[in-house]
Amino acid sequence: GDSVTQMEGPVTLSEEAFLTINCTYTATGYPSLFWYVQYPGEGLQLLLKATKADDKGSNKGFEATYRKETTSFHLEKGSVQVSDSAVYFCALSDRTTSGTYKYIFGTGTRLKVLA
Amino acid sequence: ETGVTQTPRHLVMGMTNKKSLKCEQHLGHNAMYWYKQSAKKPLELMFVYSLEERVENNSVPSRFSPECPNSSHLFLHLHTLQPEDSALYLCASSQDQQGSPFFGPGTRLTVL
Repeated sequence: GDSVTQMEGPVTLSEEAFLTINCTYTATGYPSLFWYVQYPGEGLQLLLKATKADDKGSNKGFEATYRKETTSFHLEKGSVQVSDSAVYFCALSDRTTSGTYKYIFGTGTRLKVLA
Repeated sequence: ETGVTQTPRHLVMGMTNKKSLKCEQHLGHNAMYWYKQSAKKPLELMFVYSLEERVENNSVPSRFSPECPNSSHLFLHLHTLQPEDSALYLCASSQDQQGSPFFGPGTRLTVL
């Protein structure tokens, strides 16, 4: 079945460092891909998405490119801030055989940014 | 209130208690969901409701009983839970089953 694998955290960086959080997926169809962020004490918020191969999603300085050839959707940011400290979830949405859509989430990667 | 709200935010209960979690969405969405978030495990989809009808039940034990009285409200009734049911329970909604889910802040449940 469909699945999402993301790197285990925690990831600890200094402020202004470059961030990469790896995410790979397996899917039977042509999924849409997402990154969600969860700040402490809050629910998940959609950060960015890409719906087809080679699409780049971007928001708040974060970017991720849908790479079909490597089945990856790595999250990057050029210069992280303390306020980026959160848990980041990679997810996919794929159409099931019954015609409904299913969202599959990864385990989450905790990012801690130090001042 | 805006977005998706959940009450209570924290709940501690014994294994013989009965409690309910409440979720309300103010977005005019037609689909609502319950997810379970446990440490170091992927988010687990528990139930999906579309237009107040349950369309998915992912092999969830019967000690969890959902209720969707209308398109804005979703409940999760809890009865004789086990300590391993302790987790963050997230409610979400989306415009339809294809749309990206919009999450509430969750209820942190501890079962003693």
